[in-house]
Amino acid sequence: GAVVSQHPSWVICKSGTSVKIECRSLDFQATTMFWYRQFPKQSLMLMATSNEGSKATYEQGVEKDKFLINHASLTLSTLTVTSAHPEDSSFYICSARATGVTGELFFGEGSRLTVL
Amino acid sequence: AQSVTQPDIHITVSEGASLELRCNYSYGATPYLFWYVQSPGQGLQLLLKYFSGDTLVQGIKGFEAEFKRSQSSFNLRKPSVHWSDAAEYFCAVVIGTGGGNKLTFGTGTQLKVEL
Repeated sequence: GAVVSQHPSWVICKSGTSVKIECRSLDFQATTMFWYRQFPKQSLMLMATSNEGSKATYEQGVEKDKFLINHASLTLSTLTVTSAHPEDSSFYICSARATGVTGELFFGEGSRLTVL
Repeated sequence: AQSVTQPDIHITVSEGASLELRCNYSYGATPYLFWYVQSPGQGLQLLLKYFSGDTLVQGIKGFEAEFKRSQSSFNLRKPSVHWSDAAEYFCAVVIGTGGGNKLTFGTGTQLKVEL
């Protein structure tokens, strides 16, 4: 099946710094990628929809200036958590939809962010 | 409001026993339906999906699910559970072919398997 890779898997940073997480589709082109956030023992909450070559669409309540999303190519989307604070600590997961394919999404392995 | 409900937060079964995880959705139209499994600290793996056609779908690892329109349900089943099936299971829904195919997830069911 299609592979989506996230990097880094784990990151620890100091409060006030910015962290970038990459999401790559390794063997297919993804017009659309999605970023989710998952708190411990909870479900995945959609943060934003990232479309190649255009601005991301953020879900209600998600600060777009806080969580910067860039989808510069058909195989790469990045999520930058700016001026991170401890409450931003979470598990971030991306998913990608192959161009021309309806419905099915492929998920990355997730990135665990801990802000000290 | 549109929603996906997984009524059981935790389920414990003995190895070799059968398993059924419940999922209900509240949408006017027939959605695309998915079941994903997540091991601790890992991403999600697709078990199976329903788009149309036969309402009983077969997935990986011996799992199957049945779409019942009258009950707005898409329950996941396995005849004989293995210890390696212990994980978190998420039901998810996509509405329509537009809207960017956004997935809406249920709250998940944590499966424990007793040896």
